[in-house]
Amino acid sequence: GAGVSQSPSNKVTEKGKDVELRCDPISGHTALYWYRQSLGQGLEFLIYFQGNSAPDKSGLPSDRFSAERTGGSVSTLTIQRTQQEDSAVYLCASSLRSKVAEQFFGPGTRLTVL
Amino acid sequence: AQTVTQSQPEMSVQEAETVTLSCTYDTSESDYYLFWYKQPPSRQMILVIRQEAYKQQNATENRFSVNFQKAAKSFSLKISDSQLGDAAMYFCAYRTYSGAGSYQLTFGKGTKLSVIP
Repeated sequence: GAGVSQSPSNKVTEKGKDVELRCDPISGHTALYWYRQSLGQGLEFLIYFQGNSAPDKSGLPSDRFSAERTGGSVSTLTIQRTQQEDSAVYLCASSLRSKVAEQFFGPGTRLTVL
Repeated sequence: AQTVTQSQPEMSVQEAETVTLSCTYDTSESDYYLFWYKQPPSRQMILVIRQEAYKQQNATENRFSVNFQKAAKSFSLKISDSQLGDAAMYFCAYRTYSGAGSYQLTFGKGTKLSVIP
């Protein structure tokens, strides 16, 4: 079956613009995670979804970052008024809701803010 | 808060030889999981091996094995018979229940492994 997919693969934007990053999880996976991978900070957790709700948003770095998930499937991470420090690879992972479940990662979106 | 430390930013190994990547972690939890992920230039994170903290036996997956020392909070990865395709970034990761149903991963900074033909 299909794995986790993310789009776009690469995104270049100008400082101050808004961007949307999309994640399509594996069908049937109710848990969805967003992570950010940047040169300075390594891999960091951003937000966790269970179904359509986000009970853990503790990793979102500022109120410019938001995310939603619809139909218990596709998730969109939105960054408003992008800054150069937002440049990073944004990874999405999905899993079954289980203590032992493996998280399957997508290929990520590389965001470059000029 | 849990932390994961990988002290070797870069490592190299001769093809067919064995290499060990180090990882230490800090936690006060007793129930957790540890992972090694591989990230090739394609950016796709691939699970290499996992270890449940309650299991004393070290996990093994073909050429990959771990040395899990719970008391020392150490979790090293050994790659035997290294192949060119093993060249990648390797991340050590820790996972426990984070509340609100989340099992988020905490990652180390990574070790870049080069394989020399």
